[in-house]
Amino acid sequence: GAGVSQSPRYKVAKRGQDVALRCDPISGHVSLFWYQQALGQGPEFLTYFQNEAQLDKSGLPSDRFFAERPEGSVSTLKIQRTQQEDSAVYLCASSLRQGRGNTEAFFGQGTRLTVV
Amino acid sequence: AQSVAQPEDQVNVAEGNPLTVKCTYSVSGNPYLFWYVQYPNRGLQFLLKYITGDNLVKGSYGFEAEFNKSQTSFHLKKPSALVSDSALYFCAVVSGGYQKVTFGTGTKLQVIP
Repeated sequence: GAGVSQSPRYKVAKRGQDVALRCDPISGHVSLFWYQQALGQGPEFLTYFQNEAQLDKSGLPSDRFFAERPEGSVSTLKIQRTQQEDSAVYLCASSLRQGRGNTEAFFGQGTRLTVV
Repeated sequence: AQSVAQPEDQVNVAEGNPLTVKCTYSVSGNPYLFWYVQYPNRGLQFLLKYITGDNLVKGSYGFEAEFNKSQTSFHLKKPSALVSDSALYFCAVVSGGYQKVTFGTGTKLQVIP
């Protein structure tokens, strides 16, 4: 596709509900990132994939957060038993190259998650 | 650990005047530095990056940034601001060969007609 696509754009979840957020990266992009952006803050790193391999998940805030990219393309970020503090915009980004972090990332529009 | 500081929450500038958005960084090793812009309800858009070479980097929409190693700064500049430049600007850093990008807290730029 022309850019990184995320769905849904908006999600309202009741506390305790499980949610799944989808990211379609730019075709051929090796690297995929998930970020969490709280209101008024900069994006915070969650996890990084190189193809299907999850090389870094150090930013996931708890074991309720899980991400996968089984075929090295589409990725899903799953949040189990959502809490109010999970309310944020979740950004997905992809970049063409692997390895050294000198390549700019292309971001999707994000999914705004509101937990009520 | 790597970090980025954007000391100004908001910068106001009159249309046509030069603008500067400040950024300082802290890393071990050589930094890769980026500027991104975020318009309302839009994702982040890449503006420019410094990897190596010339300290003055030119990017999209007439923006440029100057890498200053001694001051550990990477300020974003534009000679003449446009109202359409009003947005949220993020400085970001990657250290070494690692993919993890650390963003600053953002600076809201308001260009006044």
